Amino acid sequence: GQNIDQPTEMTATEGAIVQINCTYQTSGFNGLFWYQQHAGEAPTFLSYNVLDGLEEKGRFSSFLSRSKGYSYLLLKELQMKDSASYLCAYKVSGGYNKLIFGAGTRLAVHP
Amino acid sequence: KAGVTQTPRYLIKTRGQQVTLSCSPISGHRSVSWYQQTPGQGLQFLFEYFSETQRNKGNFPGRFSGRQFSNSRSEMNVSTLELGDSALYLCASSEDRRNYEQYFGPGTRLTVT
Repeated sequence: GQNIDQPTEMTATEGAIVQINCTYQTSGFNGLFWYQQHAGEAPTFLSYNVLDGLEEKGRFSSFLSRSKGYSYLLLKELQMKDSASYLCAYKVSGGYNKLIFGAGTRLAVHP
Repeated sequence: KAGVTQTPRYLIKTRGQQVTLSCSPISGHRSVSWYQQTPGQGLQFLFEYFSETQRNKGNFPGRFSGRQFSNSRSEMNVSTLELGDSALYLCASSEDRRNYEQYFGPGTRLTVT
């Protein structure tokens, strides 16, 4: 089957670091995505991991462990504008552009 | 380059009607995927079109269909609308099927009454 889980909500303080976890179970896997979605807007691409390890891109980093079916998104130096939903999704093996999304994690950043 | 555009942005229909939504991908992008987003189910894959052919399909009933034109623009159609079809319908485009980055449009908010 296809299953992907992430926490529903998280809160953090401006300037802090937050880690959003994502676990998945699938018989076919071809990469893990993270998207950011502000309320009422379209999702925007943050990162893509296909190999194990950490990918860093400015204040955002994403980690993948394929053997554990686990990924996380790390946000550093949090800003108020980082308040949004963060969606993890995996690409189905052989499915090209078919993505299976988690329900999303709503992050609230407080002053 | 202009981003992905979707029309209309908002739509209100009644049960039993049918609806057609349109998506224009980024210029040069040939793959278009459609997703349904609801508060309860999150983002769910509907289908993907490439070179005017449906390449992938999600677990939705046959009332949901789509097509792609030679200029890569895509439409999706929902017939015999049900209340549960109320959702944000998003399309995403990418250059080709091997390119991993998909760009999402602003979505069409469909309300079925």
